[in-house]
Amino acid sequence: DAEITQSPRHKITETGRQVTLACHQTWNHNNMFWYRQDLGHGLRLIHYSYGVQDTNKGEVSDGYSVSRSNTEDLPLTLESAASSQTSVYFCASSVAGGTQYFGPGTRLTVL
Amino acid sequence: SQELEQSPQSLIVQEGKNLTINCTSSKTLYGLYWYKQKYGEGLIFLMMLQKGGEEKSHEKITAKLDEKKQQSSLHITASQPSHAGIYLCGAGALNFGNEKLTFGTGTRLTIIP
Repeated sequence: DAEITQSPRHKITETGRQVTLACHQTWNHNNMFWYRQDLGHGLRLIHYSYGVQDTNKGEVSDGYSVSRSNTEDLPLTLESAASSQTSVYFCASSVAGGTQYFGPGTRLTVL
Repeated sequence: SQELEQSPQSLIVQEGKNLTINCTSSKTLYGLYWYKQKYGEGLIFLMMLQKGGEEKSHEKITAKLDEKKQQSSLHITASQPSHAGIYLCGAGALNFGNEKLTFGTGTRLTIIP
């Protein structure tokens, strides 16, 4: 069955380290999204991509980057992790104009 | 930018009772998604409403879209423990060709046996 997976599911890192969160989907969806979920803020869009080689900044993109080299993957990189980036991160994918389907999430703690 | 406000923020309901969750937009709603999130897990798609006055049902959950009121409601009939979780509404941009979604902060539903 087609699915969307995220890895790792839990990550603890130190301030200043570079961290990469993986997102992989097997639906062949063109659109992929990264969100973070924090108490009191709900889900906020970090970056999104409408296809290979396309990336766009979302609402809270500072300190994050993404690259899209193929249809299936959109890795999220925290260039220099900060305590404010402690959060739960969700990846989602969709066809153009379609419903977004979410991965299981990655819980990141920055100490 | 569009903002979505959900009410109530949390809800404790006895099993078997009905309940309603509301999602109100700061701008005209042209389409709205409802998702459910179990604690510690990802979001599960429930329903999408696109037309004013549209109403959709799945099992014991019914969602309605009122464009004039810039509001959507999610109604659960005869609640069960399996309905417990966080319900989030999300809205797309004006022409719905832009799939970026803005989400509400969620409603946490607890079902008491």
